[in-house]
Amino acid sequence: QQPVQSPQAVILREGEDAVINCSSSKALYSVHWYRQKHGEAPVFLMILLKGGEQKGHDKISASFNEKKQQSSLYLTASQLSYSGTYFCGINSGGYQKVTFGTGTKLQVIP
Amino acid sequence: AAGVIQSPRHLIKEKRETATLKCYPIPRHDTVYWYQQGPGQDPQFLISFYEKMQSDKGSIPDRFSAQQFSDYHSELNMSSLELGDSALYFCASSLGLGQGLGNTIYFGEGSWLTVV
Repeated sequence: QQPVQSPQAVILREGEDAVINCSSSKALYSVHWYRQKHGEAPVFLMILLKGGEQKGHDKISASFNEKKQQSSLYLTASQLSYSGTYFCGINSGGYQKVTFGTGTKLQVIP
Repeated sequence: AAGVIQSPRHLIKEKRETATLKCYPIPRHDTVYWYQQGPGQDPQFLISFYEKMQSDKGSIPDRFSAQQFSDYHSELNMSSLELGDSALYFCASSLGLGQGLGNTIYFGEGSWLTVV
């Protein structure tokens, strides 16, 4: 079942913050976050495995709630290079596929 | 670092023709995934292979087939092409079952297929 992302689209000015949410109707083994620019491959950002986990690097971080049904991606002090479509991907464990969410189109303007 | 290699990068075919896409995973990765992404759509999972065996199947049409070879590269064969098959096809790879780290999936640059 495809996870639902919100918002669908967001426009930010450089330096502003954003939060992208990803929700599933059932508990997940892991959640992945990817950023994709138009016509390019999705680029892996991070993976969360444990309920209550938070991780990040630079100004992009993510959290996975205790029940492992929701994840949020936090973008702080956004840069123009952050523009793109952000996908969460959910995984049911083992070597199973990642199912991508509905996507959030983020545009950072000067 | 070596990445996932896909070929060809661009392909133009006519309706009812056949096309083959190739994917070379990151060295030591034993799992390969194929995704199809239409314009403005999210990537849709087609099929995956772990250790040369099909491990999962998604929305892959019956006209399509795929396999993973002994050197872990994979090929996606598409026959009786239709206009709606025009899309960006991604291959991705990961370390498979038993690695204990969650299967981080790395994507290739994609192969653009245009059916005319």
